[in-house]
Amino acid sequence: QKEVEQDPGPLSVPEGAIVSLNCTYSNSAFQYFMWYRQYSRKGPELLMYTYSSGNKEDGRFTAQVDKSSKYISLFIRDSQPSDSATYLCAAGQGNTPLVFGKGTRLSVIA
Amino acid sequence: GAGVSQTPSNKVTEKGKYVELRCDPISGHTALYWYRQSLGQGPEFLIYFQGTGAADDSGLPNDRFFAVRPEGSVSTLKIQRTERGDSAVYLCASSTPSNPGELFFGEGSRLTVL
Repeated sequence: QKEVEQDPGPLSVPEGAIVSLNCTYSNSAFQYFMWYRQYSRKGPELLMYTYSSGNKEDGRFTAQVDKSSKYISLFIRDSQPSDSATYLCAAGQGNTPLVFGKGTRLSVIA
Repeated sequence: GAGVSQTPSNKVTEKGKYVELRCDPISGHTALYWYRQSLGQGPEFLIYFQGTGAADDSGLPNDRFFAVRPEGSVSTLKIQRTERGDSAVYLCASSTPSNPGELFFGEGSRLTVL
């Protein structure tokens, strides 16, 4: 079992829809949780990060962590075609390298 | 300022050849990471430097892979006797010690071994 599991999709939604992306993790020692966005043939870029259970909101994006169930979510409101990308969840502890999920490929159709 | 720079962006080589991939991190970032990403997969950790030394090389798949960072800035990932299974995008990232999860990635070096 990988430490961070993520459904690779692909996921296709109409413009304006609410998107829910999810990951689970197995290592209870993980302290911080990140979402990266990766456009085709580009490097991942940091989108959101959280260091505790609960919600964190940034514009149309909300990151949610539930440490009791080891569940990480990213919600995108009013999705736009420019949101079409692969979304990678990741988890880490201390200075150890981040562990990434497989990524979920999202397409937002105009 | 400049982001993480990786060269070459694309490299096609033949099985058995030697390859070097270069990463120039963001100035002042002491931590540097190499990840490998295969098609349809997330980045997989290879090696992590803090300054000049390799703090964790547990992700290197075998002894054909080696990386250096002699002056604590630019890093080179070296692959000997390349195999077709080494074909992937090699991603470099850097960060500051105070924010270890906030990685700044380069655009990657796409390696194809024929």
